[in-house]
Amino acid sequence: EPEVTQTPSHQVTQMGQEVILRCVPISNHLYFYWYRQILGQKVEFLVSFYNNEISEKSEIFDDQFSVERPDGSNFTLKIRSTKLEDSAMYFCATRRGFLANTGELFFGEGSRLTVL
Amino acid sequence: GESVGLHLPTLSVQEGDNSIINCAYSNSASDYFIWYKQESGKGPQFIIDIRSNMDKRQGQRVTVLLNKTVKHLSLQIAATQPGDSAVYFCADLAGGTSYGKLTFGQGTILTVHP
Repeated sequence: EPEVTQTPSHQVTQMGQEVILRCVPISNHLYFYWYRQILGQKVEFLVSFYNNEISEKSEIFDDQFSVERPDGSNFTLKIRSTKLEDSAMYFCATRRGFLANTGELFFGEGSRLTVL
Repeated sequence: GESVGLHLPTLSVQEGDNSIINCAYSNSASDYFIWYKQESGKGPQFIIDIRSNMDKRQGQRVTVLLNKTVKHLSLQIAATQPGDSAVYFCADLAGGTSYGKLTFGQGTILTVHP
């Protein structure tokens, strides 16, 4: 069964460093998302991406965050200058096209970011 | 404001029992709901969804009930198995099926004892 893959599975970084998290979406999916989950808390929406642009973003997704699809396959989340509170599990998710008539999102297994 | 939340943070059942996980929502305009299962160290996995024009939907061993009058959602798991042990989230999909912005509840930890 097709799946969303994420790398790295775990990254440890120093506060202030830049981090790039990578995702390979399911090939025929058109909508891409990043969510995050702070340990022990609920999953929170960060950003949605469609047709090479951001569709919607949350308050969490400030100027330190950016997303792009640099080569038509990978979907990346960049944090320019990490803060301690950015420590979380980051999930990439994808969805079939609009006409699929379902809100089912397919999630990757996540990238755990630890900021020291 | 819009919120989706759960009544109980933990639920322990014996293998073979039926499990019921509850969820309350506050946004009367919510029209689409999804249940996700999250196993330890993994991403959320879609279980079942329901639209507001329905009050019940069944899947394999799972049933979702929607009571719009009291803004309540439940997930019933029949003949619960140890492999069902996980955190279960209800989520509201904002904007129908347009953009996939899920608002998750806090989650219920289901533990199934053999």
